[in-house]
Amino acid sequence: GDSVTQMEGPVTLSEEAFLTINCTYTATGYPSLFWYVQYPGEGLQLLLKATKADDKGSNKGFEATYRKETTSFHLEKGSVQVSDSAVYFCALTGGSYIPTFGRGTSLIVHP
Amino acid sequence: NAGVTQTPKFRILKIGQSMTLQCTQDMNHNYMYWYRQDPGMGLKLIYYSVGAGITDKGEVPNGYNVSRSTTEDFPLRLELAAPSQTSVYFCASSYGGRGSTDTQYFGPGTRLTVL
Repeated sequence: GDSVTQMEGPVTLSEEAFLTINCTYTATGYPSLFWYVQYPGEGLQLLLKATKADDKGSNKGFEATYRKETTSFHLEKGSVQVSDSAVYFCALTGGSYIPTFGRGTSLIVHP
Repeated sequence: NAGVTQTPKFRILKIGQSMTLQCTQDMNHNYMYWYRQDPGMGLKLIYYSVGAGITDKGEVPNGYNVSRSTTEDFPLRLELAAPSQTSVYFCASSYGGRGSTDTQYFGPGTRLTVL
């Protein structure tokens, strides 16, 4: 079945540091790939998505590129802020239309 | 639009009690989902529905029941609450007409403790 593996956290960075959160997936066919963010005490919300190979999703300074050859969708941001502290979930949706989520990666950004 | 709303926000139950977690969406979405989130374990799908009158089991359905009598509402019923059901519960919805490209919209969650 489909699966998503993302790096374990917490990831701890200083403000303005570069962020990478790795995500790899296993799926049949051509899934869509998503990054969701969960701020403390809230539900998940879409951060960005990509629906076909080589697409780049971007939002709020975050980017991720759909790499079919490496089955990856790594999340990057050039300069993180304290307000980016949250839990980030990588997810995919394949032929069943039911999403599969990774375990989440906690990001802590210090001033 | 209010999006996806959930009630209550918090609840403490005693072992063996039952309760219903309410979920409503006002986006006319076809698909609705219930997840539970345990610390460090990501999201586990409990039940989902692809339209009114249609429900199906997810990964962890035992101890729960659902119904979907309208497009808007998707309540989750806990019968005979157990400590293992202590968790944060999220309801979500998606349009369901765009295949795998659909975005999920989540409610704010219900934090349930069973003592």
